[in-house]
Amino acid sequence: DIQLTQSPSFLSASVEDRVTITCRASQGIGSSLAWYQQKPGKAPKLLVYGTSTLQSGVPSRFSGSGSGTEFTLTVTSLQPEDFATYFCQQLKTYPLTFGGGTKVELK
Amino acid sequence: EVQLVASGGGLVQPGGSLRLSCAASGFTLSDHYMDWVRQAPGTGLEWVGRTRNKARGYTTEYVASVRGRFTISRDDSQNSLYMQMNSLKPEDTAVYFCARVIGTDTVDFWGQGTLVTVSP
Repeated sequence: DIQLTQSPSFLSASVEDRVTITCRASQGIGSSLAWYQQKPGKAPKLLVYGTSTLQSGVPSRFSGSGSGTEFTLTVTSLQPEDFATYFCQQLKTYPLTFGGGTKVELK
Repeated sequence: EVQLVASGGGLVQPGGSLRLSCAASGFTLSDHYMDWVRQAPGTGLEWVGRTRNKARGYTTEYVASVRGRFTISRDDSQNSLYMQMNSLKPEDTAVYFCARVIGTDTVDFWGQGTLVTVSP
């Protein structure tokens, strides 16, 4: 199975900070990576797919990049509604797998 | 408006069975692959399995930990997705989400989840 390692696991940040979350795959997955945002008690929400394509309706302050084994999700100016947990998911090979998550908390 | 409403969760003893349902609306279910994803309390997400659409013969994929115990099915005419869970173990305790797939890989919409608790 492909393992996804997210870093950091926890991130303390302030409103308007730029934050970057990294997702590393145990083997190459091309560009088959998605990012999701989850708030407590809610279902995840798709932010980015195909490594860098922003889902419709997602603010442009979110962006994804990378290829192969290393990927990043960047939020250029963190807003109050962005404090949440973020997960990456590889879509290259079954079983599809998720990273362990990055919780972004208010500093 | 796209909606996915999961139901059927509850408390079950180890070794027992449950059948989860997911009612879909606001889109044509037959066009889409569909996933089940679970989340144990306070932990991350685990992909459980997938059913492809009619064009792909409704074929399925599962994570190894549930293969042979869980079975995903669907009834497009009823706009419904199902997952039969047998031989349940305490480690199957989780919120189970049904989710719609766009294209052939990415989940673009998740239902609200239904809690399954496996405990004596």
